[in-house]
Amino acid sequence: GAVVSQHPSRVICKSGTSVKIECRSLDFQATTMFWYRQFPKKSLMLMATSNEGSKATYEQGVEKDKFLINHASLTLSTLTVTSAHPEDSSFYICSAARGVNTEAFFGQGTRLTVV
Amino acid sequence: AQKITQTQPGMFVQEKEAVTLDCTYDTSDQSYGLFWYKQPSSGEMIFLIYQGSYDEQNATEGRYSLNFQKARKSANLVISASQLGDSAMYFCAMRERYNYQLIWGAGTKLIIKP
Repeated sequence: GAVVSQHPSRVICKSGTSVKIECRSLDFQATTMFWYRQFPKKSLMLMATSNEGSKATYEQGVEKDKFLINHASLTLSTLTVTSAHPEDSSFYICSAARGVNTEAFFGQGTRLTVV
Repeated sequence: AQKITQTQPGMFVQEKEAVTLDCTYDTSDQSYGLFWYKQPSSGEMIFLIYQGSYDEQNATEGRYSLNFQKARKSANLVISASQLGDSAMYFCAMRERYNYQLIWGAGTKLIIKP
């Protein structure tokens, strides 16, 4: 299967700082990437859909100024949590798809803890 | 309305037994895809199996098979000969036509007992 690499896997940051999470498709071109947030023992909550070369489409209730998404190339999308607060602590996971009606491949996820 | 429903929050199964995880879906599209993913405690999402709405045969991948009943809108995952390593969260998901987004179920926590 295709490989999607997400980095870092764990990060602890101080309240008020910004954190960048990278999502890379290693062996295929992903025109679309997705960013999810997952609360403990819950399903994935889609935050935004990222298309290469264009602005991300955010889901309702997700602050675009807080969660900055950049999809600069067909193999890289980044999520920056700006001015992080303890309530932003969560598991963030990205996925990438080659096309419609194909499986989405997931990164390993990033566990963010804001102290 | 829920588009993907997983009615089993948790399942306990004896090792080596078969297990069926339920998933029902709701869509008006004729063309859609159904997915099952496994999420162990490490957090990564592992793709297990895919069923297209036009596929006539039930999908199979090793010990995993998908019991696709289109008229009933169900796509149950069957794991044969369960192993301790199968203990994880299992998510059912759907992608509708021309939509890259996956719609997720709430998940089922499967625990395999030795």
